[in-house]
Amino acid sequence: ETGVTQSPTHLIKTRGQQVTLRCSSQSGHNTVSWYQQALGQGPQFIFQYYREEENGRGNFPPRFSGLQFPNYSSELNVNALELDDSALYLCASGRRDRDSPLHFGNGTRLTVT
Amino acid sequence: SQQGEEDPQALSIQEGENATMNCSYKTSINNLQWYRQNSGRGLVHLILIRSNEREKHSGRLRVTLDTSKKSSSLLITASRAADTASYFCATADIIQGAQKLVFGQGTRLTINP
Repeated sequence: ETGVTQSPTHLIKTRGQQVTLRCSSQSGHNTVSWYQQALGQGPQFIFQYYREEENGRGNFPPRFSGLQFPNYSSELNVNALELDDSALYLCASGRRDRDSPLHFGNGTRLTVT
Repeated sequence: SQQGEEDPQALSIQEGENATMNCSYKTSINNLQWYRQNSGRGLVHLILIRSNEREKHSGRLRVTLDTSKKSSSLLITASRAADTASYFCATADIIQGAQKLVFGQGTRLTINP
């Protein structure tokens, strides 16, 4: 089975710009979640998608949005970038089962200058 | 906000010794999971323990859960240099059917050869 892949691995953007991060889920999984991990911190939940709809959101503003496609791949879009958005963005796929672990990609390191 | 709090924040031991990491959380849980992260890369799922379980083993890993004390511990026996990583506990909240993982800040484990 293929794992979770994310692209790009690194990205540098300027404050105010917009960014799109991409994720390809592991085969057999039907949910995709996005997490933000600041340096030295644990990951924080942004949102989860199931059946192409957002069905759970953390404490992030609306300028963080996402999409899930029929093939379960996903995008995370962030508008009006701020310096504090600099972080490692992790995509995780799983099955819609409360005791199903998540499978994470290696992340996209976003730097906002 | 972070639910799980790991202790210690950093741990350095000699190869072959056992490593114990602790996690405390605040609210009721469905399950508690432990993940490993190498050098800012993706998280790797290690073990999941359900709220009605008290102990679980996987290879050199042993996890305990005490729901009355809202705490868990991860024991790695006979440590190896390859175990050097950050270890995170995560509690699983169910929001709108979505499994949201709430991570602590992690324990940075260093195994010295």
